[in-house]
Amino acid sequence: AQSVAQPEDQVNVAEGNPLTVKCTYSVSGNPYLFWYVQYPNRGLQFLLKYITGDNLVKGSYGFEAEFNKSQTSFHLKKPSALVSDSALYFCAVREFSGGYNKLIFGAGTRLAVHP
Amino acid sequence: DTEVTQTPKHLVMGMTNKKSLKCEQHMGHRAMYWYKQKAKKPPELMFVYSYEKLSINESVPSRFSPECPNSSLLNLHLHALQPEDSALYLCASSQDKGKRGGYEQYFGPGTRLTVT
Repeated sequence: AQSVAQPEDQVNVAEGNPLTVKCTYSVSGNPYLFWYVQYPNRGLQFLLKYITGDNLVKGSYGFEAEFNKSQTSFHLKKPSALVSDSALYFCAVREFSGGYNKLIFGAGTRLAVHP
Repeated sequence: DTEVTQTPKHLVMGMTNKKSLKCEQHMGHRAMYWYKQKAKKPPELMFVYSYEKLSINESVPSRFSPECPNSSLLNLHLHALQPEDSALYLCASSQDKGKRGGYEQYFGPGTRLTVT
């Protein structure tokens, strides 16, 4: 079975500093990886995905993620954090089971950006 | 347009009530999903519809009954719920083209359900 792990419950960063939210994965075959963000009382918003190709994936709102096959990681990054980036972030991996696609989510990481 | 809409935004119901949640998308997606999310937890998959047929039921109790009237609409019928069913219910859709599909899911804003 596919799985992802987000080792940090919370990440704190000062506004203007770079941020990293960590994700590691365990899959059989090639991984299809995703990052989502959730603001309070809202649905999940898609940020970016890795399917194949360049290891550095660029997404929405200035976020990017680096796929590292040797370390089985897919960390989310942003060069300069904004207070408005404070939210709950989920890493996810696609699982193809019984002929259908599912997303398997990590536990989530709360990002707090301080002024 | 990548919008998935859900109604109502909030719902309070008693344990003997019958209510329905509605979801709509106009992106031409053929896969639609229901998730349940508790506070500060990841979404838990409940049901998957592919081409308007129920494809996955993640052992959800029968008090939750999904329905897909057409390719744009998804309903979740609720009956005799328990207080522990209180949660945010999220709908999502995706292109979902089988094993080679790496398509992202687009989520609606959710319905905040409270069972009293």
